[in-house]
Amino acid sequence: KQEVTQIPAALSVPEGENLVLNCSFTDSAIYNLQWFRQDPGKGLTSLLLIQSSQREQTSGRLNASLDKSSGRSTLYIAASQPGDSATYLCAARGDNFGNEKLTFGTGTRLTIIP
Amino acid sequence: DAGVTQSPTHLIKTRGQHVTLRCSPISGHKSVSWYQQVLGQGPQFIFQYYEKEERGRGNFPDRFSARQFPNYSSELNVNALLLGDSALYLCASSALVMANEKLFFGSGTQLSVL
Repeated sequence: KQEVTQIPAALSVPEGENLVLNCSFTDSAIYNLQWFRQDPGKGLTSLLLIQSSQREQTSGRLNASLDKSSGRSTLYIAASQPGDSATYLCAARGDNFGNEKLTFGTGTRLTIIP
Repeated sequence: DAGVTQSPTHLIKTRGQHVTLRCSPISGHKSVSWYQQVLGQGPQFIFQYYEKEERGRGNFPDRFSARQFPNYSSELNVNALLLGDSALYLCASSALVMANEKLFFGSGTQLSVL
């Protein structure tokens, strides 16, 4: 059974700093690892998807890495802004093509201090 | 283009009642998944449907059921509501043509059971 863990549960950093969010998973047999953003009471916005054969993906100020062998992924946010404040969730998708089940971590609540 | 739409946005029910939640996927998407997110936790997988067939089921009691219609929209039904069913219910859709496609989430239905 896949288990996904995110540490820390909450993080506060001053505006402009670079930061790293961590995600670990127990079963390395995954199709991909996705990072999502969730604003309070809202749905999820997909940020980055890393395929199992890839090591990293970049979008603007965001960079996500994947190390399947160690069961870890990181989300790097450069030059943080107050608008980045949200909960960030990582999710692992199992390696059965027809089944899109995602296993989520509990998220890291990020606060950027102006 | 319209994203994933869910209705209603908020719902208040009492214990023992029945509830139906609705989801319309992005145009062209044939796969719909349902997730339950309890406050402070990551989303938990409930069901996935593709071309009106169930592709996956999470660890939820038989009180939870779903179906997908010919236009690919979907309903999630919950019978005999319990206080613990209070949560944000999220619907996600994808085209499921390639193995590494992103899931697109709706804004969710906030269900409160009193």
